[in-house]
Amino acid sequence: DVKVTQSSRYLVKRTGEKVFLECVQDMDHENMFWYRQDPGLGLRLIYFSYDVKMKEKGDIPEGYSVSREKKERFSLILESASTNQTSMYLCASTWTGRTAEQFFGPGTRLTVL
Amino acid sequence: QQQVKQSPQSLIVQKGGISIINCAYENTAFDYFPWYQQFPGKGPALLIAIRPDVSEKKEGRFTISFNKSAKQFSLHIMDSQPGDSATYFCAANYRGGSARQLTFGSGTQLTVLP
Repeated sequence: DVKVTQSSRYLVKRTGEKVFLECVQDMDHENMFWYRQDPGLGLRLIYFSYDVKMKEKGDIPEGYSVSREKKERFSLILESASTNQTSMYLCASTWTGRTAEQFFGPGTRLTVL
Repeated sequence: QQQVKQSPQSLIVQKGGISIINCAYENTAFDYFPWYQQFPGKGPALLIAIRPDVSEKKEGRFTISFNKSAKQFSLHIMDSQPGDSATYFCAANYRGGSARQLTFGSGTQLTVLP
């Protein structure tokens, strides 16, 4: 059974803090993705990675960075958290060529005060 | 920017009824159209998907209808059950940059009343 785990279910941070969200998958997937989910806006792609140390910007990369040092782990970094980054963050992964079939983690609800 | 427009935002259906969710797109470069289902507290999960060269795909009570000329596709849930209550996202697959990406609709919150 494919498993995508995210480091925290709930996180509360203060404006200006550096925030790390971690995602780990156990299916040897090449591709990993970070989305944010907001009511009425659906899922919006922040960054994705198609190989170790490779990354590509999605639709809303501003204010975020990512790191992928190992195949199974993909981290999302908020360099200086702001209140407009309060959201649900979802990590997903899949095999190369199977982009339409992504496996999602349970999400991290981040609140920035 | 790639877009998929989804409606309605919310839908309430009686048990046994038909739930219909609609999506429309503009970019003809989209080449695969999945639907995802998300239960509260969980991440989305792939439900069913269709290619643009097929007009309909059925899996159990779930059917996708696809109209390529109108650039529209829809999800039909027959004999809707309370267990179908969830948020549904349509999506479209395309090549953005050096790799393929999914762009999602805004989501439909479905409530099936017992």
